[in-house]
Order: sequence, then C-alpha cells, then structure tokens
Amino acid sequence: EAQVTQNPRYLITVTGKKLTVTCSQNMNHEYMSWYRQDPGLGLRQIYYSMNVEVTDKGDVPEGYKVSRKEKRNFPLILESPSPNQTSLYFCASRGLMGTEAFFGQGTRLTVV
Amino acid sequence: SQQGEEDPQALSIQEGENATMNCSYKTSINNLQWYRQNSGRGLVHLILIRSNEREKHSGRLRVTLDTSKKSSSLLITASRAADTASYFCATALGGGADGLTFGKGTHLIIQP
Repeated sequence: EAQVTQNPRYLITVTGKKLTVTCSQNMNHEYMSWYRQDPGLGLRQIYYSMNVEVTDKGDVPEGYKVSRKEKRNFPLILESPSPNQTSLYFCASRGLMGTEAFFGQGTRLTVV
Repeated sequence: SQQGEEDPQALSIQEGENATMNCSYKTSINNLQWYRQNSGRGLVHLILIRSNEREKHSGRLRVTLDTSKKSSSLLITASRAADTASYFCATALGGGADGLTFGKGTHLIIQP
C-alpha cells in the first residue's frame, strides 16, 4: 500500500530538548516536504527536498533542520524546540513535479 | 508565501445541496490541486487540473480553472454528511520550483 509514515503521532516535549520526527515513503517519490499547520494560517511549508542530498527552505524554516540521505526518508529535526513550534506537522511526498501529494497522518507536537 | 486563497473560509449547507468553494492565486501555475482534510488528519488528494485545462470532473466533484483570472472553483454536488471537512487548493508552479503551496482552506459543514 502506498503510504507516507510519520512518527511519532503525538509528542510532548520541553523547551530546548532536541527531537526528531521521522518520515518515510514507499513510493520512490523524488519530492518530499514538511509542513506545519496552525489555526488560521493553513499549511505552511517548512522545508522540501527534490531528491537525495538536495534540500531547500520553504516559507518558515527557522528553527528546523532536515536531511535527505536516502530517497525514502526525510526526517525533521528541531535542535532546540520552543513553544512557538507547538503545531501539527505533516510530511508529504510526490513524484515528478506537479503530481499529487501523499500526506502522512500528522504529528501533533507540544513544546512546554 | 501563501499562493492560494480559498473563499469562503467556512460554509455550512444542508445535506443534498451543492457546495462551491473558490480559490484565487497570484502567479502562473503548472497545475492546481484540491485536497480534503478530515479533522486533524492528513490531507487527501481529490483532483488535479492542469493549466491548459478549463474543467474537470471526478464523481460528484467538478473543478474549473480560469487562468486569466487566476482562480479555480470546486463544486461538490449532492453533498453528504461525510463531505464535512476542510478543503484546500494547492498550486504547483512548475519550472523546477518548489513543492505545492497551499491556501488556508475552506471549512465545509454539511448539516444532516
């Protein structure tokens, strides 16, 4: 089954404690992206990757890092989380430019 | 930057009625896509319309695209309670640009 898998689904952490949210896709997609969703702001892109070892900033990259060492994985790293990073995060993947995106089920992060 | 803007922000109709949502965008696009999101879950792709297409159908969904006005509409006919969700338009710019850019969404409520 084609899918994008994010882990964990829920995470509560404290300010400053490094965390990683994993994302894996089984469709051999070139594109992978991370979005955050906040009430009234919709989905905003954090980072995206067009292929292995190729990543670029989206609209709201501050405070986040990503890596793309393998085509299937695209982890999101928060080196020093802050409360303003409390949000619902989605990973997405898609094939050649312009095709439909497949989304993970989301990670609800709370930073206290 | 927010490329697509959906209108209205919220819509409540009776079951069986048609629901129309609009999306406006700012720059030239390769294609425009519509997604549905059930509360707090991942987005699900509904339909894609390319820049050289004017109308597309999929089941009870009808999408139009007017590139001269930089706008699109999504019509859901004979609405059902299960159509209650948030609907997002997303634009793909093409030309090697980044991933999909989403609007803030229209929250649709179908009253039984």
